[in-house]
Amino acid sequence: GAGVSQSPSNKVTEKGKDVELRCDPISGHTALYWYRQRLGQGLEFLIYFQGNSAPDKSGLPSDRFSAERTGESVSTLTIQRTQQEDSAVYLCASWGTETYEQYFGPGTRLTVT
Amino acid sequence: QKEVEQDPGPLSVPEGAIVSLNCTYSNSAFQYFMWYRQYSRKGPELLMYTYSSGNKEDGRFTAQVDKSSKYISLFIRDSQPSDSATYLCAMSGYRVGDRLAFGKGNQVVVIP
Repeated sequence: GAGVSQSPSNKVTEKGKDVELRCDPISGHTALYWYRQRLGQGLEFLIYFQGNSAPDKSGLPSDRFSAERTGESVSTLTIQRTQQEDSAVYLCASWGTETYEQYFGPGTRLTVT
Repeated sequence: QKEVEQDPGPLSVPEGAIVSLNCTYSNSAFQYFMWYRQYSRKGPELLMYTYSSGNKEDGRFTAQVDKSSKYISLFIRDSQPSDSATYLCAMSGYRVGDRLAFGKGNQVVVIP
């Protein structure tokens, strides 16, 4: 079936504005992850959803960051009052139980001016 | 000390050469070790994974894990221009589905 999709692919926003990023996981995948990739850096874990369990928010860098997911469907990552240091590629991955692989989407490239 | 260290220096090799990449880590709880390949402006894709120590071979790719030294390696034999990408090591704990801890990645360029 279709892979993980993310939208928008690119987002340019002014400092102080709020942004919302969307992730559509692979159908049937119970686990969903958000990561951030800054230029020249590895992927930074942000948040993890597993089914109906409480999400693991331990990677969110500040209270300006939040994420939601309803059941096993779409997830949105919201960044309020964006700062220039929020500029990065935001990657979403989903995981099912059939393999060990986390499948990544193409990412949303966020630029805060 | 970061959980996973990967020297992010770019690597340029001639076509046909062997590419050698490695990572070190500090968390002894890590049990699953992975290598992801990421092409420009794409999401990472899983290349290989290994559970615990040992070697694993898949075509031109070999992954090695030495848990006693907390050191993992990826070797690419007979490198091709299509292997040009960023290679990221990643690892996680014993629970399948645990969040991954990533290295910074190595940009590899294979010159025809």
